[in-house]
Amino acid sequence: GAGVSQSPSNKVTEKGKDVELRCDPISGHTALYWYRQSLGQGLEFLIYFQGNSAPDKSGLPSDRFSAERTGGSVSTLTIQRTQQEDSAVYLCASSGGSNTEAFFGQGTRLTVV
Amino acid sequence: QKEVEQNSGPLSVPEGAIASLNCTYSDRGSQSFFWYRQYSGKSPELIMFIYSNGDKEDGRFTAQLNKASQYVSLLIRDSQPSDSATYLCAVELYNFNKFYFGSGTKLNVKP
Repeated sequence: GAGVSQSPSNKVTEKGKDVELRCDPISGHTALYWYRQSLGQGLEFLIYFQGNSAPDKSGLPSDRFSAERTGGSVSTLTIQRTQQEDSAVYLCASSGGSNTEAFFGQGTRLTVV
Repeated sequence: QKEVEQNSGPLSVPEGAIASLNCTYSDRGSQSFFWYRQYSGKSPELIMFIYSNGDKEDGRFTAQLNKASQYVSLLIRDSQPSDSATYLCAVELYNFNKFYFGSGTKLNVKP
């Protein structure tokens, strides 16, 4: 595809359930980011993948959060045992190299009820 | 200390005025600087980038970079109500291709 694709666009889940959010970056982009944005707030960095390097997981808020990037392309963010405070928009972005911009997907709006 | 700092605002300006948005960053290894605009309920979109000290103009937008002061700003001339959005400053560390985003400044342009 031409842009960063995220799925699902909306997800409502019950507290305690696990969820998986998917990000399909722009083809050829080596860097992939996950951010979380609560209503009216800024971007909260979660995790960063760069090529084959070990991911920077420093932004993951708890061990309930994990992410994978298979084959250097598609990434999945998994939240286990969801809590109401996990409700937010989860944004994925990718970029193609140094001095190039990051392109964002349209986000997944997660609501935990 | 956050990598990138922005005043959260809101910054209110009348239509036709100049809006000035400011951003400071902490890492002197920062190489590239980006301004994103985010409308409510939408994803951020790039409006300008700057790499070198000085000014860069694109239409009504001017980005200003001062690496010595670790300061980057965005000026919007002839502000329009459609410019009302949150503006995010982003910094990329040299060769690392890792972006740090500020928390954004909300701009309100009043008709």
